[in-house]
Formats: sequence, C-alpha cells, structure tokens
Amino acid sequence: SSELTQDPAVSVALGQTVRITCQGDSLRSFYASWYQQKPRQAPVVVIYAKDKRPAGISDRFSGSSSGNTASLTITGAQAEDEADYFCNSRDSSGYHYVFGTGTKVTVL
Amino acid sequence: QVHLVESGGGVVQPGRPLRLSCAASGFDFNNFGMHWVRQAPGKGLEWVAAISNDAHNKYYGDSVKGRFTISRDNSRNTLYLQMNSLRPEDTAIYYCAKDLLRFLGPAFDVWGHGTMVIVSS
Repeated sequence: SSELTQDPAVSVALGQTVRITCQGDSLRSFYASWYQQKPRQAPVVVIYAKDKRPAGISDRFSGSSSGNTASLTITGAQAEDEADYFCNSRDSSGYHYVFGTGTKVTVL
Repeated sequence: QVHLVESGGGVVQPGRPLRLSCAASGFDFNNFGMHWVRQAPGKGLEWVAAISNDAHNKYYGDSVKGRFTISRDNSRNTLYLQMNSLRPEDTAIYYCAKDLLRFLGPAFDVWGHGTMVIVSS
C-alpha cells in the first residue's frame, strides 16, 4: 500500500493564504481529495478530483497537483477554517484508498 | 436531505464479533458505492472497506482483511460491517461514507456522524 505524507501543523493569520501539501507516489496516478474535520464532527469533503469544489463549499478553498504532490490552498483564511485537513487518494493498487497523515490548521 | 446514520457500536471484548449498520436516506442508495472509514481516538482517518453499488465488488484495508466483511441490502437502503476477531487496536469511531460514483469514485461526499467501537476486556 501507499503512504500520503502531510505536515502535522500549519498556522495562518486571519485573512491570509495558506497552502497544505500532501506527498505520495500514488498521486502520480490518482487525484487527491481533501477533507476538513472540525472537533467532534465528521469529515467534510472540500476538494475532490484535484480541483473540484462540492456545492456549498467556499471558493476560499482550491486544489492543485503536480507530480507526487497535491495541494490545498485556503485564500483569505477565516476563523471557521480552523480544523484538521486530510488528503485522500487511491493507493498504488488502484483498489484501496489511503488517507494522509493530516494537517492541523490554526488561524491566528 | 441526504443522511447516513450509523448504529451498532459499543464495548466488546477482544476476539468477539460486532456488526455495524448504516441507514441511508435522501438519495438513490443502489446507485452509489459505499465505504467504511474509522478514526482511532486522537488519530487520523483510516479507510476500512468499500463496496460497489451492486455489491459485486468489495475491497478491504490490510489491517482488517480476513476479519471484517462489508455488505449491503439495497432493498433496505442499509450498509453493514461485520467485524470478527476484534482487537484493541480496532477501537475507533466508525463512519460510513457515500461514494461519488458507483464504485472507486474520487471522493466520499456524504458521511454519517459515526459510531464508537471500544474493544476492551
């Protein structure tokens, strides 16, 4: 199986921009999706298929990918964006999924 | 409104079985793949298992393969996870999640609230 690696924590000033990255070999073959999880809540998908945003998700969230790295960018971060963020993709076999290690985003 | 509601969690002794259920509503259940994802206390997300819309295809994470079985009853709009030979490391919140597609889609677009499983003697 594959691994997806994320930085454990990042911080961003209110209204500024932050980029969260996710690295893994499987990202050369499969797009990433990104999930936001707030304390004691279920995850919510914010980006899928590299850069698609589900209905109801703020356009502050955007996604991109290059080589073995996927990125989630929050532009103009708000207090409500403070959460854990997990990337996800199919693994190298194509039949399993793997989640990233997670990034805790703190909005200062 | 699309809803997923898990049930069946609880405290169970190591080696014992437990079956989780996930009741779906608000969408055409038999047109979408489904997944189980778990989260140990204070830890990250772990994909557990997937099943295609027609139940013909099933895949499992390495840590549960051979012990857990995913199934579905499309007539009852319900997803199941039969967990056998439970271990303390299976302790987690178990979420069911809807696939964007019939199988192996690019995202899990709807999640339940989760049900807690504690494996302890």
